[in-house]
Amino acid sequence: AQRVTQPEKLLSVFKGAPVELKCNYSYSGSPELFWYVQYSRQRLQLLLRHISRESIKGFTADLNKGETSFHLKKPFAQEEDSAMYYCALSAPNAGKSTFGDGTTLTVKP
Amino acid sequence: DTGVSQDPRHKITKRGQNVTFRCDPISEHNRLYWYRQTLGQGPEFLTYFQNEAQLEKSRLLSDRFSAERPKGSFSTLEIQRTEQGDSAMYLCASSLVTGNTIYFGEGSWLTVV
Repeated sequence: AQRVTQPEKLLSVFKGAPVELKCNYSYSGSPELFWYVQYSRQRLQLLLRHISRESIKGFTADLNKGETSFHLKKPFAQEEDSAMYYCALSAPNAGKSTFGDGTTLTVKP
Repeated sequence: DTGVSQDPRHKITKRGQNVTFRCDPISEHNRLYWYRQTLGQGPEFLTYFQNEAQLEKSRLLSDRFSAERPKGSFSTLEIQRTEQGDSAMYLCASSLVTGNTIYFGEGSWLTVV
């Protein structure tokens, strides 16, 4: 069964501090992994996907197959990063995505 | 194209009534998804279409729920004999077949009283 766990419901950091949002998953095989973000009063949108290996808005995420984790990191948090973040996985080219319950990140000035 | 659009944005209905939500995907997208989200939880998969074919349905989609995409464009999600437990945000999303980047609509809030 597919499962995504985000252990922190809430995360608060000061501006300029590093931030790490944790994501652990269970899946038999090699899933595709994603981070989605929802800013206040906006729709859910893709932040990054692991196969792209890109950095979006300064965020990166490393897939650790041994620990089945896909943590999202940013070295210097900004106030505009305050949002809800969801980790998700899907089977390659599958329709269904499984989401975690999200982490609310607050970046304090 | 302004992205995935959903209608209505909010619906309050009495228990036992039927409700229908509509989703218009991004025009060139041939996959369309329905998710449900309750407070404090992430989106839960309900079903998805590739063109007009409904390819997968979650066990969450009871007999009271039906989704259609008759011409491979817009989709409707109908809930019959609504129950209070159906109160949730119903999210629609769309994507191309190649690649799993999905684009979400703003959602339709359902409150069953």
